[in-house]
Amino acid sequence: DAGVTQSPTHLIKTRGQQVTLRCSPKSGHDTVSWYQQALGQGPQFIFQYYEEEERQRGNFPDRFSGHQFPNYSSELNVNALLLGDSALYLCASSLPHNTEAFFGQGTRLTVV
Amino acid sequence: DQQVKQNSPSLSVQEGRISILNCDYTNSMFDYFLWYKKYPAEGPTFLISISSIKDKNEDGRFTVFLNKSAKHLSLHIVPSQPGDSAVYFCAASPTTSGTYKYIFGTGTRLKVLA
Repeated sequence: DAGVTQSPTHLIKTRGQQVTLRCSPKSGHDTVSWYQQALGQGPQFIFQYYEEEERQRGNFPDRFSGHQFPNYSSELNVNALLLGDSALYLCASSLPHNTEAFFGQGTRLTVV
Repeated sequence: DQQVKQNSPSLSVQEGRISILNCDYTNSMFDYFLWYKKYPAEGPTFLISISSIKDKNEDGRFTVFLNKSAKHLSLHIVPSQPGDSAVYFCAASPTTSGTYKYIFGTGTRLKVLA
């Protein structure tokens, strides 16, 4: 069973550019959440997708958007990148009413 | 406003002894709590959880205690092993409100000395 997989593992982008991160959930999971973890901080909730719709959103600007596909995989898009967007982006999958989430290894985004 | 706090950024313990990691929360709507362990270059790994209807949950060497009146939970690891060295995150969720997002603390780095 291939748990949660994320791609790419590392990414360097220039300020103002756009980026797309990808996530494949654990087999059997249909709910995907995205978190941002800045250095020295705990993960912060960005949003959650279920049945291809954004079910819940954290305190992140509209520059952060996402999508979930019929196979439950998901993308996180960030537009107009700022230096402060540099962080580890984590994807977590779960069953819709199961509180235990499984995390991927993350994508390390560096904005220069 | 930090709703979940882990006030100890780091902790060192001798192998074989008990490790106690603490977590405080402020939101009384939180009713489900989890501990995650994170190694460098890996995502967080689920360790143990507890619902607010319980005050203790045990899984092998790991026990989580919940004190609702104090809004405090703790993770006990007995006996501690060098492989337990990692960053431990406490997380909370207000599940009965229909939300499933986790609010994480800032983590405690545990070092188990051989």
